Amino acid sequence: EAQVTQNPRYLITVTGKKLTVTCSQNMNHEYMSWYRQDPGLGLRQIYYSMNVEVTDKGDVPEGYKVSRKEKRNFPLILESPSPNQTSLYFCASSWDRGAGDYGYTFGSGTRLTVV
Amino acid sequence: GQNIDQPTEMTATEGAIVQINCTYQTSGFNGLFWYQQHAGEAPTFLSYNVLDGLEEKGRFSSFLSRSKGYSYLLLKELQMKDSASYLCAGNNAGNMLTFGGGTRLMVKP
Repeated sequence: EAQVTQNPRYLITVTGKKLTVTCSQNMNHEYMSWYRQDPGLGLRQIYYSMNVEVTDKGDVPEGYKVSRKEKRNFPLILESPSPNQTSLYFCASSWDRGAGDYGYTFGSGTRLTVV
Repeated sequence: GQNIDQPTEMTATEGAIVQINCTYQTSGFNGLFWYQQHAGEAPTFLSYNVLDGLEEKGRFSSFLSRSKGYSYLLLKELQMKDSASYLCAGNNAGNMLTFGGGTRLMVKP
């Protein structure tokens, strides 16, 4: 089944403790992206990647890192999480940055709470 | 950037028709998507409009006017399961999606 897999689905952590949210897609998509979703603010892009070893900042990159060593994987790293990073996170992928005719395929989401 | 505006909340009755509007800045615009998102779940693709006019897919239709920077999603024969958020997203000059804040639709019996 074609899908984007995120892990974990839920995570509660403490301020300052480094964490990684994994994202993997099995569709050979070139474009991958991370979003965070907060009430009233909609989906905001954190980072995106056009292809292996090519990453770029989105609208809200502060406090996050990403890497794209393989085409299928695009982990999101929070080096020192803070409470304002409590949010619902989505990974998405597409054939190319243009989103084509079918838009992005989204992962199931990761609900992160930083206390 | 690209500002995308849509109402925050709407309420409609089961079996009725509802129209969710979306307006956006027209500069560098390529196309417009609509997604459905149930609470706590991932957004799922509904429609994509590039050309002006109405596109119909079963109970859902989407309309685009490029010159007016305006789109709407029309839901007919509303069902309780249609209670969800509906996200409007613009495909901008860089060909990446920018999302509106979403419209939460509540369908009542």
